[in-house]
Amino acid sequence: KAGVTQTPRYLIKTRGQQVTLSCSPISGHRSVSWYQQTPGQGLQFLFEYFSETQRNKGNFPGRFSGRQFSNSRSEMNVSTLELGDSALYLCASSLVGGIDTQYFGPGTRLTVL
Amino acid sequence: GENVGLHLPTLSVQEGDNSIINCAYSNSASDYFIWYKQESGKGPQFIIDIRSNMDKRQGQRVTVLLNKTVKHLSLQIAATQPGDSAVYFCAENPTGANSKLTFGKGITLSVRP
Repeated sequence: KAGVTQTPRYLIKTRGQQVTLSCSPISGHRSVSWYQQTPGQGLQFLFEYFSETQRNKGNFPGRFSGRQFSNSRSEMNVSTLELGDSALYLCASSLVGGIDTQYFGPGTRLTVL
Repeated sequence: GENVGLHLPTLSVQEGDNSIINCAYSNSASDYFIWYKQESGKGPQFIIDIRSNMDKRQGQRVTVLLNKTVKHLSLQIAATQPGDSAVYFCAENPTGANSKLTFGKGITLSVRP
């Protein structure tokens, strides 16, 4: 069974632009969570989607948003990029969320110049 | 993921020795705990998990111990191998947090040949 895939793997953007990242969960998994990883803050939860609905949200500004499609694939969007948004963005999938094991993708490395 | 261990504590062990990685968690309401391993260029990889109704769980070469009294989690790796070199994260899932994992800062394990 294929693992979690994320595209693109690397992105370079400039301040003020917006970006969309994509995540395909493990087949059969319906919950998708997004995390931001930085050297200073570590791994921080962004949000979780289940059945095309945002079920949980972390403490990030409204510039960070996401969605989930009927096939469980998910996208996250960051608008009006800031230098501090440079990070590794990780997607994790699980069967139905809750305390199901979350399996992570390789991440998308976003650099904001 | 990239090397997020720039300011992380490092545990250095001799190949073949046992390793013990410790983690203090913060939320007494957490009922599910997970250890992840992250190698350079990859996303976190699930190692082992434990529910709060247990105090010990064993996997292949790994054991997780949970002490709820002092909110402490540890990961023991038997016969440490060079391939175990990575950053290790503990994560907790508070009751009702619904997939919102809270990660520790991470510890770098370095295995000396």
